[in-house]
Amino acid sequence: DTEVTQTPKHLVMGMTNKKSLKCEQHMGHRAMYWYKQKAKKPPELMFVYSYEKLSINESVPSRFSPECPNSSLLNLHLHALQPEDSALYLCASSHPGLAGGPDRNEQFFGPGTRLTVL
Amino acid sequence: SQQGEEDPQALSIQEGENATMNCSYKTSINNLQWYRQNSGRGLVHLILIRSNEREKHSGRLRVTLDTSKKSSSLLITASRAADTASYFCATDRTSGTYKYIFGTGTRLKVLA
Repeated sequence: DTEVTQTPKHLVMGMTNKKSLKCEQHMGHRAMYWYKQKAKKPPELMFVYSYEKLSINESVPSRFSPECPNSSLLNLHLHALQPEDSALYLCASSHPGLAGGPDRNEQFFGPGTRLTVL
Repeated sequence: SQQGEEDPQALSIQEGENATMNCSYKTSINNLQWYRQNSGRGLVHLILIRSNEREKHSGRLRVTLDTSKKSSSLLITASRAADTASYFCATDRTSGTYKYIFGTGTRLKVLA
């Protein structure tokens, strides 16, 4: 199974709502990532989990709260978002990397969740 | 910012022609990867080239890496309409926690 799944595919929420994005993989990858992508822009890294521990937080506002309950699951909890947070949210996974290892750093991406904040 | 720059930003070619896109980056890297993204969907890994490699092939794809110039190119030969997508390079850092930084991307349109 070389698939990363994300739910939901689309999400519309108000600024006062609380919602969660979910990501799952069964490739045995111990690194998982959240990216945010605006239209016609590259993905921007938000968070990295390595062995279920948060290893990178790219100065993301606290209204985004990641969670990694186990090695296969990654959640992104959303609360009090702003309209400018509307974007495609991508999850990815990989081996945590031995830098320079034989093709171990390939990231597998999910299809994304299209988020609209009203 | 470590973000890579890609050029051209957009490229339109006829089916059967070759497409070349370039990526420049700013810091030393362990490896560089190219990804494809169809409109509004997830990214698909195309090819990885390590810092000690100069050229790599995969099917119709050819990637070169020049670490002295901090640049890479992706060549797609005999393009097809299905190659229409955005293409991103992604570079990692040589030290610290592993992560990738994506370039600005090239939007390729292949006309049938």
